[in-house]
Amino acid sequence: GQQLNQSPQSMFIQEGEDVSMNCTSSSIFNTWLWYKQDPGEGPVLLIALYKAGELTSNGRLTAQFGITRKDSFLNISASIPSDVGIYFCAGLLLSGGGADGLTFGKGTHLIIQP
Amino acid sequence: EADIYQTPRYLVIGTGKKITLECSQTMGHDKMYWYQQDPGMELHLIHYSYGVNSTEKGDLSSESTVSRIRTEHFPLTLESARPSHTSQYLCASSAGTGFVQYFGPGTRLTVT
Repeated sequence: GQQLNQSPQSMFIQEGEDVSMNCTSSSIFNTWLWYKQDPGEGPVLLIALYKAGELTSNGRLTAQFGITRKDSFLNISASIPSDVGIYFCAGLLLSGGGADGLTFGKGTHLIIQP
Repeated sequence: EADIYQTPRYLVIGTGKKITLECSQTMGHDKMYWYQQDPGMELHLIHYSYGVNSTEKGDLSSESTVSRIRTEHFPLTLESARPSHTSQYLCASSAGTGFVQYFGPGTRLTVT
């Protein structure tokens, strides 16, 4: 299937720091989704992006749909302990495909150091 | 908030046993999915369904089978469990006209 390159693979930060992660691909996407997964739980949708250039916020989270349609980023401001978890990006290919063509990144592990 | 349920949440079972992982959603979603995920790793799509009596294999080959007799129910069955099946299994659903997938809490399967 199509590859989504999600980076960084892991982040070790101090509480209160801002966080930035992104997903890139050589393919064009027409939807980007960001999920967070807590240990032992299923992923929970954080933000959905549907238009190139779209910038959407959800509390301390901000995500953008890249102008080229090939990338997206997620920022978390003033991190707190409950932000710990794995963040996944997911993209819907413009060309479609099986199972709605939703492709997932490999995840960014966010770890907050005391 | 999504209403999608999975049971059991945890299962430890011996090799060779037949198991069924249950997934139900109360949102009336047409599309349902099963993913396999090793701890802390990426999601792999193993089965999906576009509606009743529709089932398709996903990107990752799996020895499991699924059925979709009712819209709200999408069970996954392993006829003979093996240690290599040890993993977390996540169920998801999405509306017919949408692409956002809503996930259940997962079933953590351990085969001894």
